[in-house]
This record gives sequence, structure tokens and C-alpha cells, in this order.
Amino acid sequence: EVQLLESGGGLIQPGGSLRLSCAASGFTFSTSAMSWVRQAPGKGLEWVSSISATANVKYYADSVKGRFSMSRDNSKNTLYLQMNSLRADDTAIYYCAKGSPHNGALMDAWGQGTTVTVS
Amino acid sequence: EIVMTQSPATLSVSPGERATLSCRASQSGSDNLVAWYQQKPGQAPRLLIYGASTRATGIPARFSGSGSGTEFSLTISSLQSEDFAVYYCQQYNKWPLTFGGGTKVEIK
Repeated sequence: EVQLLESGGGLIQPGGSLRLSCAASGFTFSTSAMSWVRQAPGKGLEWVSSISATANVKYYADSVKGRFSMSRDNSKNTLYLQMNSLRADDTAIYYCAKGSPHNGALMDAWGQGTTVTVS
Repeated sequence: EIVMTQSPATLSVSPGERATLSCRASQSGSDNLVAWYQQKPGQAPRLLIYGASTRATGIPARFSGSGSGTEFSLTISSLQSEDFAVYYCQQYNKWPLTFGGGTKVEIK
């Protein structure tokens, strides 16, 4: 069974930094693209960032480009999102999601999320 | 950026009835790379449909997706109590990946 467990969220002041982690199990992490998606309170889903299996390709939403950085440690089956220069509008639940084997941009399993509050 | 527009925002349906949700893309893409997700309160999204019409593993047959080009739809043939939720479409054809604003399916 695929399991994705996010951690690292919390309350942070504007301008601060946080690093989110996503521990993966139940699938071959090292061959899977991964993504982060966020959801502001009472709002819809917003894609944040994606990373290829070997981390050689990364994509970012314009809203986070230059402030957020995605990385992974395939030896630890763990995904990261380094968030710097945080703003109030970054407040959201952050979900990590596994890419489908057939198309890494298709998110076929999701974690339960970790909450980031910037205030 | 491909903008995904869902309608209606809210759909009131009685249990056992059919529900049809719509999603329009601002650009046409190759291979109809559109997915549908279900999200219940306090839960993570769950993949229902990918490639516009293929059900994900374990998804009941009452869920079906259709469409091509810029017009897509999700149909729930006979709504069960557990189907009342918010549904999102998403395109994964081009970066940035984009979601529609969601359709809330509520009990009538």
C-alpha cells in the first residue's frame, strides 16, 4: 500500500523559512516523479512543484518560483520542500503526491497533508 | 498556462440520481491528459479518472469520464451517500499543471 506522510508544517512569521518532508513507502520511490500541491483554507487545489525521479528536472509554479525549492533523497525515500521568504498567502495545507508510472505529472496517490500557517 | 474552468460550482442532487460535472480547458492538448479527483472534507484528494476516461484502480463503475479537446465531463450514474464531495479536474498535458476551481456535489 502506498503511504505518503508529510511533516514539517507549523506556524511561521512572514519572511521566515520552513522545510517540509514527505516520507514515502509502499512503492519504488526512486523511479517515481513526485509533486507538491497546496490548498489554502476553504479554497481549491494549487499545484506547487514537481520533481523527476532522479531530480534532474524540476518545475515550479510562478507563485513560488525563486522562494521554494524541491529536492529528494532516494536513499531515504523522502521528498522535501524548502520554503523561504514565506508570505501570508502561502498559508495552506501542503500535500505531497506520487507521480503515475505512465506519466509523472499525473498524481495517483496523495498524503494527508501538513498545515503551514504564515502569520 | 492552461486555465481549467469547472461548472457548475455547486450541484444539488438527490441520492440515486445522475450527476454530470463539466470542465473546460482554455487550450486543447494532446492525448486528452485530463484527470478528475474527489475530495471529501478533511481528506486528501483521490484520483478517480485519468486520460479523460480511464478509471483509476478501485474506482466504482458508476464514475465515468468523457470528452476531448477542450470539453470534458465526469458523470456519476447513481449518486451514493459517499459520493457527496468536491470534484476537481486537472490537466497534466503542459506545465504548469493546473486544476479547475472545483464542483461541490451536495445532497438535494
